[in-house]
Amino acid sequence: QKEVEQNSGPLSVPEGAIASLNCTYSDRGSQSFFWYRQYSGKSPELIMFIYSNGDKEDGRFTAQLNKASQYVSLLIRDSQPSDSATYLCAAKTSYDKVIFGPGTSLSVIP
Amino acid sequence: GAVVSQHPSRVICKSGTSVKIECRSLDFQATTMFWYRQFPKQSLMLMATSNEGSKATYEQGVEKDKFLINHASLTLSTLTVASAHPEDSSFYICSALLNRDFTDTQYFGPGTRLTVL
Repeated sequence: QKEVEQNSGPLSVPEGAIASLNCTYSDRGSQSFFWYRQYSGKSPELIMFIYSNGDKEDGRFTAQLNKASQYVSLLIRDSQPSDSATYLCAAKTSYDKVIFGPGTSLSVIP
Repeated sequence: GAVVSQHPSRVICKSGTSVKIECRSLDFQATTMFWYRQFPKQSLMLMATSNEGSKATYEQGVEKDKFLINHASLTLSTLTVASAHPEDSSFYICSALLNRDFTDTQYFGPGTRLTVL
């Protein structure tokens, strides 16, 4: 079992819709979780991090964490074509290493 | 804040050449930096963890004699690919660790695309 899993996609949503990206992790002792966006040919850029159960909002982005279910999600409201990218979920494990998921490719259709 | 630079952004070299890549944290000090490699359409693969003033910690399967890491200061880590071969062609990305809001967060450099002919 991979430590951090994501659907590879591609996930396609129409412009203006809500994009929902999901991530699960296997190490129950993981404490911090991160969402990065990576455009093709570029390096990842941090969107947000979360470490408490519940929701955390930042502009059009909302991260959700459910430690009991070992599940993290990222919602993008009012999706724009410029949001089309690969989204990487990462977890800081109980042994202090950050593990990245394989990424989900998002395509926002104008 | 939290800007990380890498130099060079792109390298094309002949097989057998050694290539040095620099990673700098520009507006913060980073005791810990990481080096990743990413092949096309694949996720990030952690190569090594670079700690200022001590030896780097390499991931399983990464040759430390081929990928030499030096973390000489709190703002600079270097990766040297010794005697590069075509199979070393990849996108190399560094990140620096910053504690913000009680959480250690990685901030990535722009990456270096290495092509070995």
